[in-house]
Amino acid sequence: EAGVAQSPRYKIIEKRQSVAFWCNPISGHATLYWYQQILGQGPKLLIQFQNNGVVDDSQLPKDRFSAERLKGVDSTLKIQPAKLEDSAVYLCASSRPQTFGEQYFGPGTRLTVT
Amino acid sequence: DQQVKQNSPSLSVQEGRISILNCDYTNSMFDYFLWYKKYPAEGPTFLISISSIKDKNEDGRFTVFLNKSAKHLSLHIVPSQPGDSAVYFCAASSNSGYALNFGKGTSLLVTP
Repeated sequence: EAGVAQSPRYKIIEKRQSVAFWCNPISGHATLYWYQQILGQGPKLLIQFQNNGVVDDSQLPKDRFSAERLKGVDSTLKIQPAKLEDSAVYLCASSRPQTFGEQYFGPGTRLTVT
Repeated sequence: DQQVKQNSPSLSVQEGRISILNCDYTNSMFDYFLWYKKYPAEGPTFLISISSIKDKNEDGRFTVFLNKSAKHLSLHIVPSQPGDSAVYFCAASSNSGYALNFGKGTSLLVTP
């Protein structure tokens, strides 16, 4: 089966600009996650979707970050405006509904904010 | 606050020897623990997991041990191979949300 797809793989923007990331999960995976991984840290959950509904967005900086999952499949994560501290790898993962742990990760998008 | 801690940023082991990676957690609500492996420029890939009702789970060369009273788990790789060189993340979840809480990772280098 095809894995989790993400694009773009790399993005460089200036602070205060906006950026969007796209994720296509594994077919049939109802649960989708966005993680932020800052250099030297483990991934940190930003938002979790179950189909097209939000399950957990407690760690999403809602003043600048937004995410949607229309039709319960693809998802986009947007940052507007970007700050220097947003430089990180943004990972998308998916899993079967209500399953413990075993999440399948995409390759990530490396964002550099200058 | 970091609820999952990997206190060793790096580990170097000779090929054929045992690699032991350690992980501690603070949240007693965690009941499922996982290890992920990550190569550069790739996303993490699932390696092995253990439920809190067990104290050991084995899969080939990989064994995970869980000590609930100490809130500690470890990953043993025997024998270690150069292809095992990667960053290993310990993660934990609870049935309240299923999202993973990750440690900072341990970079394992297996030398020939």
